[in-house]
Amino acid sequence: DAKTTQPPSMDCAEGRAANLPCNHSTISGNEYVYWYRQIHSQGPQYIIHGLKNNETNEMASLIITEDRKSSTLILPHATLRDTAVYYCIVRPNNAGNMLTFGGGTRLMVKP
Amino acid sequence: DAGVTQSPTHLIKTRGQQVTLRCSPKSGHDTVSWYQQALGQGPQFIFQYYEEEERQRGNFPDRFSGHQFPNYSSELNVNALLLGDSALYLCASSLRKGSVIAAVAFFGQGTRLTVV
Repeated sequence: DAKTTQPPSMDCAEGRAANLPCNHSTISGNEYVYWYRQIHSQGPQYIIHGLKNNETNEMASLIITEDRKSSTLILPHATLRDTAVYYCIVRPNNAGNMLTFGGGTRLMVKP
Repeated sequence: DAGVTQSPTHLIKTRGQQVTLRCSPKSGHDTVSWYQQALGQGPQFIFQYYEEEERQRGNFPDRFSGHQFPNYSSELNVNALLLGDSALYLCASSLRKGSVIAAVAFFGQGTRLTVV
């Protein structure tokens, strides 16, 4: 699976958009970008995934660059409950359950 | 609809002992994976089970073994516990359709194992 690079930490003001970047410059054509988050003392939670088109769901939006070498997860109106570690993972869609987690980005939403 | 449930939530064991952790997958899911998460690090894949067999394995020694039952629930066994086995153990489930396992995994709250 392709390696990902994320900033170790970020801050965001409550109510503002949180934009979390991820670099995956070695991504292959059949690899998807997945985002999970882990709130303190809980198991990871799936957020969103995509291949090459931008995706949006009730939790977030995923913007993937045209060359697919980087992506941004957008939380449009961050709340205190969005404080968590956010993991960007790249893997083929048929790779089974195996997820390779890196260090992630620790997002702190501040009042 | 119950999500992924794990038991126990916390456990303290002595070095050299053996431990068994349990996981019930989300209703309708037939594939279970286990992860180990050391403090301050991301989860690390241990192994995956479906059809009651181990299908994929991460870089973990044979002291780590598992089992899947006909009702899709699963156990993780760790023998000869070391202090370094202290971690949060996470179970994740998903649904397999034919040869493809659904990409999205649902995680339990984990079992916090402390080895003293």
